[in-house]
Amino acid sequence: DQQVKQNSPSLSVQEGRISILNCDYTNSMFDYFLWYKKYPAEGPTFLISISSIKDKNEDGRFTVFLNKSAKHLSLHIVPSQPGDSAVYFCAARAGGTSYGKLTFGQGTILTVHP
Amino acid sequence: DGGITQSPKYLFRKEGQNVTLSCEQNLNHDAMYWYRQDPGQGLRLIYYSQIVNDFQKGDIAEGYSVSREKKESFPLTVTSAQKNPTAFYLCASSPTESSGNTIYFGEGSWLTVV
Repeated sequence: DQQVKQNSPSLSVQEGRISILNCDYTNSMFDYFLWYKKYPAEGPTFLISISSIKDKNEDGRFTVFLNKSAKHLSLHIVPSQPGDSAVYFCAARAGGTSYGKLTFGQGTILTVHP
Repeated sequence: DGGITQSPKYLFRKEGQNVTLSCEQNLNHDAMYWYRQDPGQGLRLIYYSQIVNDFQKGDIAEGYSVSREKKESFPLTVTSAQKNPTAFYLCASSPTESSGNTIYFGEGSWLTVV
């Protein structure tokens, strides 16, 4: 039972353009959502998060949008840079659980071409 | 430098053998976690511990065991009962009282069964 889904295994964009990564979830108990970036053979690094009480959160080039009614969130990267090429994971946490008890999506491989 | 140290980085195991992966953190975090990543999949929670001498099963605990005798250490044993142990293992930690994005991951350990 995949409670967090990233339906696009890969995404390829040109440098300077927008990258949009999508994530869907099914568990209504999720109230906090995070995006992580991961390089091969390394641990994930935190990018940006959003609480269910908000519908948008920005941090520099990264913006996360949350649509609770559709149980959908997206990560926008503008402008995209070659250094953004990595695997991006969406993760979710249910209220009242341990901070690190996350449910992850399968990941989307982002490739940004110069 | 503060952080999470996992060892070994690469480990080969013969079928039928138990192996133990080490995880040490000097962040003074209360909670620690073990995740597993398989190719093309997201991270899945194996075990977590919120305080010393206490731990809970995650989503895929079968074939694994842990201990939490010290706050800074959370070793994971992959037993011979684990049917598909070849994977990338990630340890993480977080404070128990904090904002939602403060979970930190180690660099990971590759386990291959030969």
